[in-house]
Amino acid sequence: QVQLQESGPGLVKPSETLSLTCSVSGYSISSGYYWGWIRQSPVTGLEWIGSVYRSGSAYYSPSLRSRVTISVDTSKNQFSLTVNSVTAADTAVYYCARPTRAASVAMAFDNWGQGALVTVSS
Amino acid sequence: QSALTQPASVSGSPGQSITISCTGTITDVGRYNYVSWYQQHPGKAPKLLIYDVYNRPSGVSTRFSGSKSGNTASLTISGLQAEDEADYYCSSYTGTTNFEVFGPGTKVTVL
Repeated sequence: QVQLQESGPGLVKPSETLSLTCSVSGYSISSGYYWGWIRQSPVTGLEWIGSVYRSGSAYYSPSLRSRVTISVDTSKNQFSLTVNSVTAADTAVYYCARPTRAASVAMAFDNWGQGALVTVSS
Repeated sequence: QSALTQPASVSGSPGQSITISCTGTITDVGRYNYVSWYQQHPGKAPKLLIYDVYNRPSGVSTRFSGSKSGNTASLTISGLQAEDEADYYCSSYTGTTNFEVFGPGTKVTVL
């Protein structure tokens, strides 16, 4: 049973950097699959942010690509998200998730973390 | 702003069947058989109900079924139960640029 757990600061100041980590248990990231970040806010709804493979190869949503980096640490079985130059519009619940198929970059996510609320405010 | 459209709300009585639509375009729903449906209860993460238009993950009730016609996909909930009261989201693959987009969600109320 794959389990994912987000962690990181719940409050970030405008113009600063948002950083979250997803810890994976029950499955080794080194074994495969893409690992993704999705966020949800009342304004924008559910939004795919990006996904990363065990090799470090990553795909990003075009709307966020200029500010987002997703990295992977296979030794810790974790992957991370950073969003630069945040504004109030980045306030959301951030989920880490894994697709149902190993070859899918960002499709049919069947394993989700519980979510981490991040508020951007001074 | 979602590329997919869903009704804001749908309601039904226990035991009834309801259908939620998800309308996209020829570049997403109409082009690919990669439509998914999620159920989300308040304060919880989304749960995958349907993928690839009509496939159910292991453990998902057979009361949930999916279909597609043209640019519109649909989720049908049969034998509506109180526990089905939740928000439902569709999503579609859109290609190797935007990958996955989600609908705005539909609130299902069990009367």
